[in-house]
Amino acid sequence: DTGVSQDPRHKITKRGQNVTFRCDPISEHNRLYWYRQTLGQGPEFLTYFQNEAQLEKSRLLSDRFSAERPKGSFSTLEIQRTEQGDSAMYLCASSFGELFFGEGSRLTVL
Amino acid sequence: KNQVEQSPQSLIILEGKNCTLQCNYTVSPFSNLRWYKQDTGRGPVSLTIMTFSENTKSNGRYTATLDADTKQSSLHITASQLSDSASYICVVTVNSGNTPLVFGKGTRLSVIA
Repeated sequence: DTGVSQDPRHKITKRGQNVTFRCDPISEHNRLYWYRQTLGQGPEFLTYFQNEAQLEKSRLLSDRFSAERPKGSFSTLEIQRTEQGDSAMYLCASSFGELFFGEGSRLTVL
Repeated sequence: KNQVEQSPQSLIILEGKNCTLQCNYTVSPFSNLRWYKQDTGRGPVSLTIMTFSENTKSNGRYTATLDADTKQSSLHITASQLSDSASYICVVTVNSGNTPLVFGKGTRLSVIA
């Protein structure tokens, strides 16, 4: 196992399109987090799963955002009807004690 | 409200010099505190993790301190190198609730020759 994997690493899309990001956590990590990070800022919490249960959602996560972790393993983050303000790095992290981050998925909305 | 404040916001130092980054937190109940290094365009990488009972922890040229009474932590970088240029993020874990991690905004360090 090589760590937390995110796909795609980069995504450029036109405003109004839908995008989906995938996160594969480290095996047997029960906790999975999604964060959004803009340039020069620290990561902002979006949502958190313990196994397959989504335990917390930030108010930053508007109705256009949805996250799933169907079998308690990988997770997806979908953004519908993207807006230019959605342009950011989307970070996934997993933990079973120690917290490990993926390399992020950078979204650019034109 | 649980918060993590980092200072300075940014810092420029000459290669070879030492520097210290600060992290103050108002998180309760406290579980642990982590320092991460984040290179531009990359995910954060863990440097240290400290629990309530630990005062100092080193990782190579990085030394973290924790004062749980004053709720302050510092990250000291010795003999800085150009590759130390990055953002350094302080993260505090809350020992309850469903949002267990509180992030600081980070300190942007630039090491110049």
